[in-house]
Amino acid sequence: DAGVTQSPTHLIKTRGQQVTLRCSPKSGHDTVSWYQQALGQGPQFIFQYYEEEERQRGNFPDRFSGHQFPNYSSELNVNALLLGDSALYLCASSFPTGETQYFGPGTRLLVL
Amino acid sequence: DAKTTQPTSMDCAEGRAANLPCNHSTISGNEYVYWYRQIHSQGPQYIIHGLKNNETNEMASLIITEDRKSSTLILPHATLRDTAVYYCIVRVGSDYKLSFGAGTTVTVRA
Repeated sequence: DAGVTQSPTHLIKTRGQQVTLRCSPKSGHDTVSWYQQALGQGPQFIFQYYEEEERQRGNFPDRFSGHQFPNYSSELNVNALLLGDSALYLCASSFPTGETQYFGPGTRLLVL
Repeated sequence: DAKTTQPTSMDCAEGRAANLPCNHSTISGNEYVYWYRQIHSQGPQYIIHGLKNNETNEMASLIITEDRKSSTLILPHATLRDTAVYYCIVRVGSDYKLSFGAGTTVTVRA
């Protein structure tokens, strides 16, 4: 049973560029959440997708956007990258009731 | 969401039980207590959750006080692989997000 997978594992970008991160949910899950984890801090909720719609959003600017595909996989897009966007980006999947979220290994983004 | 308070760090001996406390004195009746852990540079791993009854699974036990203002996560026989940051999270059932704090850094020593 495949768990949550994310790609790529690492990424280096420069300020002002755009980045797309990808996530495939755990088998049987149809809900995907994204989190940002800065160094030394706990993960912070960005948003959650269900039925291809964003249904809850955390305190992140519009530069952060997402998409969910009919096969439940998801993308996180970040535009106009800032140095402060350097972080571990985590994807978590769950059933729609969202009782338990299962996390992927994350994508480490470095913005230079 | 109710806030949680956890010790910054704690050590425990390999093979002994590790008892991780969490204070959530402002918890509401419909809020669950969740525990996750994060081993260095990996994604958080779900451990256990409960509402008001004590819970046990293959990883750990969760003891919630009768007034629900605090809880304890028990790792019955800690191993070196249990070294991680442990997060106690309180979540309303209808809320989709998990709100992580700073967690407790647990170091298991041989």
